Amino acid sequence: DQQVKQNSPSLSVQEGRISILNCDYTNSMFDYFLWYKKYPAEGPTFLISISSIKDKNEDGRFTVFLNKSAKHLSLHIVPSQPGDSAVYFCAASGNSGGGADGLTFGKGTHLIIQP
Amino acid sequence: NAGVTQTPKFRILKIGQSMTLQCTQDMNHNYMYWYRQDPGMGLKLIYYSVGAGITDKGEVPNGYNVSRSTTEDFPLRLELAAPSQTSVYFCASNRELRVTQYFGPGTRLLVL
Repeated sequence: DQQVKQNSPSLSVQEGRISILNCDYTNSMFDYFLWYKKYPAEGPTFLISISSIKDKNEDGRFTVFLNKSAKHLSLHIVPSQPGDSAVYFCAASGNSGGGADGLTFGKGTHLIIQP
Repeated sequence: NAGVTQTPKFRILKIGQSMTLQCTQDMNHNYMYWYRQDPGMGLKLIYYSVGAGITDKGEVPNGYNVSRSTTEDFPLRLELAAPSQTSVYFCASNRELRVTQYFGPGTRLLVL
């Protein structure tokens, strides 16, 4: 039972345009969400996070939007650059009483930025 | 700061062998985690620790053991390796709950 879902295994975007990566979750106990970027043969690198008390968080070219009623979040990258080509993971944690906030991850979306 | 370091980078094991994956962090973080990532899948939590001497199971703990004798080190032990344990293993740490987890570079394990 997947609690965090990234339904697009891959996404191709032209350089300079906006990349939008989507993530859905089913566990209403999740209250903290993160996006990680991963290059091959490296560990995940933190990009941006959002707490459930907010609906938007911005950091440079990256913005995360959270829609709690729809249990949906999205990551916007504007403008997209060649170095953004990587696998992006959506992750969630919650005050569920267990797992000491170990993260629950989606399967990832492979973003390809076309020149 | 080196952050989170893991050794080895890559290892091939025969079925039934055992090994220890090492993880060290130099950020004085209390919380440490072990995840595994299978091809095409997200990371899954194996074990976690909230401080020296305190560990607990995550989502997929079977076939693994951990210990936490110091704040810095959190080794993962595989006993009786099985092909199903072929995966990439990531160690992570954070300072407190509800903040960023920092990941190591991973250990790629192949069990044949």
